[in-house]
Amino acid sequence: GEDVEQSLFLSVREGDSSVINCTYTDSSSTYLYWYKQEPGAGLQLLTYIFSNMDMKQDQRLTVLLNKKDKHLSLRIADTQTGDSAIYFCAERTVHKLIFGTGTRLQVFP
Amino acid sequence: EPEVTQTPSHQVTQMGQEVILRCVPISNHLYFYWYRQILGQKVEFLVSFYNNEISEKSEIFDDQFSVERPDGSNFTLKIRSTKLEDSAMYFCASSEADEQYFGPGTRLTVT
Repeated sequence: GEDVEQSLFLSVREGDSSVINCTYTDSSSTYLYWYKQEPGAGLQLLTYIFSNMDMKQDQRLTVLLNKKDKHLSLRIADTQTGDSAIYFCAERTVHKLIFGTGTRLQVFP
Repeated sequence: EPEVTQTPSHQVTQMGQEVILRCVPISNHLYFYWYRQILGQKVEFLVSFYNNEISEKSEIFDDQFSVERPDGSNFTLKIRSTKLEDSAMYFCASSEADEQYFGPGTRLTVT
């Protein structure tokens, strides 16, 4: 069945890079997404990648996709305290998004 | 920048009551969705809606749930007879093509 898995926590020092990983199971996924959720807020779309791409860069964000291993990662360069949030990856199958459990990123000074 | 809006931000209701959650999608978007997130759990897909009909729905979206686009701007989710386990954050989303933009959510508390 469809399943998306992420590690639950990541703690990084301010200024370092953060790498959040995600694995998914549905090989027919067309797009893969990264969303950010701050406390009490909704889901903010950060970036997404089409399934036939390997990499996408958008300012401080780099998305890497290994379709063979069904592995997706989000790298945040020069992580700031404002990046502290929960990050969700999601795969799109037909109309719906299947979300991972979310990774809580904590940035310390 | 256009955004998805939802009202109310928090709804408290008694078990067995009907609730209607409201959403205003981004104006030129054609695809609309509802998701929910029970506290501490994953965000789960409920239903997608296109061209005035449901295009896909999950097992969660049973006969107690319905969606409607009553006019050109609103998109609503109705729960006919709420249960305790319906307590969750409900997110509306809309898309034009590949991207789904989410609203801030409505926290539904069923007592």
